[in-house]
Amino acid sequence: GAVVSQHPSRVICKSGTSVKIECRSLDFQATTMFWYRQFPKKSLMLMATSNEGSKATYEQGVEKDKFLINHASLTLSTLTVTSAHPEDSSFYICSARDSGTNTGELFFGEGSRLTVL
Amino acid sequence: AQRVTQPEKLLSVFKGAPVELKCNYSYSGSPELFWYVQYSRQRLQLLLRHISRESIKGFTADLNKGETSFHLKKPFAQEEDSAMYYCALRETSGSRLTFGEGTQLTVNP
Repeated sequence: GAVVSQHPSRVICKSGTSVKIECRSLDFQATTMFWYRQFPKKSLMLMATSNEGSKATYEQGVEKDKFLINHASLTLSTLTVTSAHPEDSSFYICSARDSGTNTGELFFGEGSRLTVL
Repeated sequence: AQRVTQPEKLLSVFKGAPVELKCNYSYSGSPELFWYVQYSRQRLQLLLRHISRESIKGFTADLNKGETSFHLKKPFAQEEDSAMYYCALRETSGSRLTFGEGTQLTVNP
């Protein structure tokens, strides 16, 4: 099946620094990717929809300037957490839909655990 | 706005017992419903979708529009079914998925 890869899987950074997380679709093209945030024992919260070649669509309450999303190609979307603070520590998951099908199935990355000290 | 509710955060059954994970939704249009599963230390993956009307790993789910439910069922649970299960809804002609809060299923030997 289709594979989505995230990197890094774990990252620890100091407060005030920025962190970039990559999401790649390895064997399919994805015009749309999604970024979720998962809190411990909670559901996945959709942060934003990443659209190739255009601006991302952010969910209500998600700061655009803090969570920068770039979808420069059909196989890569990046999430940059700017000026990270301890409250940004979380598990970030990306997902992608195969542009060549219309099944509605989303393929998920393995997630990236961010810890801000 | 659409919403997905999974009333049980935790569900524990014994091996061989029937299991039902509840999912209710609210959406004004015609939704597509999915069940995703996350096994320990693995990524989230699709288990089944309502439009396929298929049985995967012995699990089935029927969309009940009258009750706005999409409960996941299996007649005889196995230990390897222990996992986190998420019910999800996709809007008509949309691509966003809205997830429920998940149910942690534990199948005891």
